[in-house]
Amino acid sequence: QVQLVESGGGVVQPGRSLRLSCVASAFTFSDYGIHWVRQAPGKGLEWVAMIKYDGSQKYHEDSVKGRFTISRGDSKNTVFLQMNGLRAEDTAVYYCAREDIAVLPGGDYYYYMDVWGKGTTVTVSS
Amino acid sequence: YELTQTPSVSVSPGQTATIPCSGDKLGDRYVSWYQHKPGQSPLLVIYQDYKRPSGTPQRFSGSNSANTATLTISGTQAVDEAHYYCQAWDSSTAIFGGGTKLTVL
Repeated sequence: QVQLVESGGGVVQPGRSLRLSCVASAFTFSDYGIHWVRQAPGKGLEWVAMIKYDGSQKYHEDSVKGRFTISRGDSKNTVFLQMNGLRAEDTAVYYCAREDIAVLPGGDYYYYMDVWGKGTTVTVSS
Repeated sequence: YELTQTPSVSVSPGQTATIPCSGDKLGDRYVSWYQHKPGQSPLLVIYQDYKRPSGTPQRFSGSNSANTATLTISGTQAVDEAHYYCQAWDSSTAIFGGGTKLTVL
């Protein structure tokens, strides 16, 4: 069964660090990009970061640039989100999602998130 | 780039629910829709404006034109009660709408 499982969440003080992991199973991990999306308490979904299938390109949302870093370790079917300098506003459930691709007329690509994990909770509090 | 969604929509069982998502020239972009129930993972229900992943019931449909994308649920069932988020791309950044809470009364 195609699956993503997040881990690494917890309670941490402001300014400290956490590393989230997203482990993939039952699909060829190296063929897919991976996104991190978060949901703060009582709020909607917010995109955080993504990494392309081969690790060649990485993108981060503006509010986390310079603090969070996405990376992948192909040998273990895992994507990481290193979170430094955590703030209270980073408190959220963090989901990882697989990026699938549709080929458009003309040869361009359209990306969408077709498989999601159950999430891991990060709480930043003193 | 911003996507705007109505915070809540109510519908009676068996009726049609219409969930709009607006953005500047949104029709020039492709839109995905995600269903999210409390305590569960978000679920892709529509991508590329109108395409249904395998597993999405046929009662779900999507459209996108001018400044508004729309998710339509025909013959709404109690199991469809959830938050629904539209999503588009702004360069390589994913933009989500604020979400619409669908209540099936």
